[in-house]
Amino acid sequence: DAKTTQPNSMESNEEEPVHLPCNHSTISGTDYIHWYRQLPSQGPEYVIHGLTSNVNNRMASLAIAEDRKSSTLILHRATLRDAAVYYCIPIKNYGGATNKLIFGTGTLLAVQP
Amino acid sequence: EAQVTQNPRYLITVTGKKLTVTCSQNMNHEYMSWYRQDPGLGLRQIYYSMNVEVTDKGDVPEGYKVSRKEKRNFPLILESPSPNQTSLYFCASAGLPTNEQFFGPGTRLTVL
Repeated sequence: DAKTTQPNSMESNEEEPVHLPCNHSTISGTDYIHWYRQLPSQGPEYVIHGLTSNVNNRMASLAIAEDRKSSTLILHRATLRDAAVYYCIPIKNYGGATNKLIFGTGTLLAVQP
Repeated sequence: EAQVTQNPRYLITVTGKKLTVTCSQNMNHEYMSWYRQDPGLGLRQIYYSMNVEVTDKGDVPEGYKVSRKEKRNFPLILESPSPNQTSLYFCASAGLPTNEQFFGPGTRLTVL
């Protein structure tokens, strides 16, 4: 399983962009990069995933380095509701079958009003 | 509304008293899984199921049982709970071919 390294914590101001980095230098060529977040007192929530190309959805953007050894989750305008622990998780994708999620310690994002 | 539900949300019990935590999803998902979350250890997978009647161990299966008799339900059974099973438990489900996993709200279990 690929190892990930994320900052323990980050801080942002409301309505400013946030860039959450993740290092996954041991990732294999078939691993997708998934991001989940866990809001206080809730279960984890899927944010976004990608393989090689940058990806956008309604929640965030995912920028993947060309060598795939790192990625950055981008929240374009942070809100107070985005305060959570963010997890970067490489996961194998066997033709669409899901696999277990290996959660590291993640990055605790604080958003200041 | 698409969701994963867990019951009970909170439970305090005593050592050795069998208990079941239920998990149900209304999205017709094939894949379901149980995790436990402990301070400093993060979330760890207990058991998972790829479909009805198909279950397999995750990373920390000792002391737990599961069953998957119906697609929508995946109960977690603790036959003889011990204090080291005090934890926050999450159930998750996912459909194929999507990789997005949906998590329940969690069950906080205390074993005295």
